[in-house]
Amino acid sequence: GAVVSQHPSRVICKSGTSVKIECRSLDFQATTMFWYRQFPKQSLMLMATSNEGSKATYEQGVEKDKFLINHASLTLSTLTVTSAHPEDSSFYICSAGGGQETQYFGPGTRLLVL
Amino acid sequence: AQKITQTQPGMFVQEKEAVTLDCTYDTSDPSYGLFWYKQPSSGEMIFLIYQGSYDQQNATEGRYSLNFQKARKSANLVISASQLGDSAMYFCAIPRGSNYKLTFGKGTLLTVNP
Repeated sequence: GAVVSQHPSRVICKSGTSVKIECRSLDFQATTMFWYRQFPKQSLMLMATSNEGSKATYEQGVEKDKFLINHASLTLSTLTVTSAHPEDSSFYICSAGGGQETQYFGPGTRLLVL
Repeated sequence: AQKITQTQPGMFVQEKEAVTLDCTYDTSDPSYGLFWYKQPSSGEMIFLIYQGSYDQQNATEGRYSLNFQKARKSANLVISASQLGDSAMYFCAIPRGSNYKLTFGKGTLLTVNP
């Protein structure tokens, strides 16, 4: 099956700093990628839809100025958590769609903000 | 709007026995699909099975099968011959929108006892 990678797998940062997470589709092109966030013992919640060559679409309640998304190529989307705070600590996971019947997930990134 | 409901926060099953994980959904789309994913403690999302609303037969993938009852809007996952490695969170999800972003249920934590 198709492979999606994420980097880094874990990151610890100080409060106030920015963190960039990369999501790559390794063997297919993805015009659309999705970013989800999962807090401990909760479900995945969609944050935003990353669109290649255009602005991301954010879900209601997600601050677009805080969670910057860039989808500069057909194989790479980046999520930057700006001025991270402890409440941003979470598991961030991306997916790339293969159509109605297929969604390929990355392995996820655990962010801890101290 | 799509809605997914998983009413079982946790389930226990003895090794080698079968277990059914419940999922009900609500959607206004005439054509839709249902996904089941497994999430072990590592966090990765592992695709298990997909059922399209117009598929004539219930989907099966190895030890996984879907008990799809369209009139009742339910898509229960049946795991046969449970193994210790099946212990994980299980999420039911439904795509929405033209780009098929996923809405997840709250998940069920399955524990397989030896």
